[in-house]
Amino acid sequence: AQTVTQSQPEMSVQEAETVTLSCTYDTSESDYYLFWYKQPPSRQMILVIRQEAYKQQNATENRFSVNFQKAAKSFSLKISDSQLGDAAMYFCAYRSTPLVFGKGTRLSVIA
Amino acid sequence: DAGVIQSPRHEVTEMGQEVTLRCKPISGHDYLFWYRQTMMRGLELLIYFNNNVPIDDSGMPEDRFSAKMPNASFSTLKIQPSEPRDSAVYFCASSTQVTVPHFGDGTRLSIL
Repeated sequence: AQTVTQSQPEMSVQEAETVTLSCTYDTSESDYYLFWYKQPPSRQMILVIRQEAYKQQNATENRFSVNFQKAAKSFSLKISDSQLGDAAMYFCAYRSTPLVFGKGTRLSVIA
Repeated sequence: DAGVIQSPRHEVTEMGQEVTLRCKPISGHDYLFWYRQTMMRGLELLIYFNNNVPIDDSGMPEDRFSAKMPNASFSTLKIQPSEPRDSAVYFCASSTQVTVPHFGDGTRLSIL
């Protein structure tokens, strides 16, 4: 069975600084998707970024980017120029079908 | 695109009562997922459907939980009888095989 591990239960970052959230996963499959979701206090699950395993290029969405290391089964999220609105729970997820989630990392942004 | 619609948004009921949570997936999505979120266990998959057929219900905690999908536009998750330990946020999500799963806003369930 696939597993997803987020080893940082909590992280904090100064506004305008950069932070990296870690995620590792375990799978025997070669074709899959990886996601980062953001859950603010409103509890909505908001997709931040996705990565297809067959693509070597790291995905980027504005201030959000990933470092995808397929051989190491690592999928970290980098947030640049952190903003107060980035404060939330962040979940790493693996998908063949269905989604398997990590336990999450609570990110605080300090003004 | 109306998104995944869940109802009710909040439910408070007494132990022993029947609880029914509802979900309307995005039109055209053939996968539907039910998740439960708690502080202790995080996000757990309860069950998922493909083309209205349950594919994996191994996450359903016990016989008190049941889920149905009578058609492509509606699913229910029922708890009977409910217990305080069932208190959680329940999410429904839908997708196709290749699209990103979209989540509803969740139902916060409190069993007193």
